[in-house]
Amino acid sequence: GAVVSQHPSWVICKSGTSVKIECRSLDFQATTMFWYRQFPKQSLMLMATSNEGSKATYEQGVEKDKFLINHASLTLSTLTVTSAHPEDSSFYICSALRGPMVTEAFFGQGTRLTVV
Amino acid sequence: QQPVQSPQAVILREGEDAVINCSSSKALYSVHWYRQKHGEAPVFLMILLKGGEQKGHDKISASFNEKKQQSSLYLTASQLSYSGTYFCGTEMNTDKLIFGTGTRLQVFP
Repeated sequence: GAVVSQHPSWVICKSGTSVKIECRSLDFQATTMFWYRQFPKQSLMLMATSNEGSKATYEQGVEKDKFLINHASLTLSTLTVTSAHPEDSSFYICSALRGPMVTEAFFGQGTRLTVV
Repeated sequence: QQPVQSPQAVILREGEDAVINCSSSKALYSVHWYRQKHGEAPVFLMILLKGGEQKGHDKISASFNEKKQQSSLYLTASQLSYSGTYFCGTEMNTDKLIFGTGTRLQVFP
């Protein structure tokens, strides 16, 4: 199957700092990437849809100024958590689509963010 | 619009069967099934696109009802490796994958 690489796997940062998470599709071009957030023992909640070359589409309740998404190329999308606070601590996962239709979504390994 | 899964949790002994349901209030374009181990990314199991479709591989299969509002995942003769949290993922013709509430499955020897 296709490979999606997410980096870093885990990060600890101080409250008020910003953290950037990268999501790369290694062997295919991803026109669309998704960013999810998952709290312990809960489901994956879609945060935003990232399309190459255009602004991301955010789900209701997700602050776009706090969670900056950039999809600069067909193989790279980044999520920046700005001015992170302890309540932003979570597991962030990206996924990528290989084509225009939703067939199989390929997931990155996830990033465990802890804000102290 | 998050699909609702039932049951929330299942405990099995090796070799037992389980059924996990995923329900939506609206018709779905497709339904995906994933399994997630703790601290890891979800792993794709299968996708169903057509109403009335049934498919599977090995001892894991799934169905999608005619109205395309409900899907069930069938796990037969469960193995220890089946333990994890199962999510259905649904799409309503918007090219967005929305995950269900999840079902935690634990298989004991």
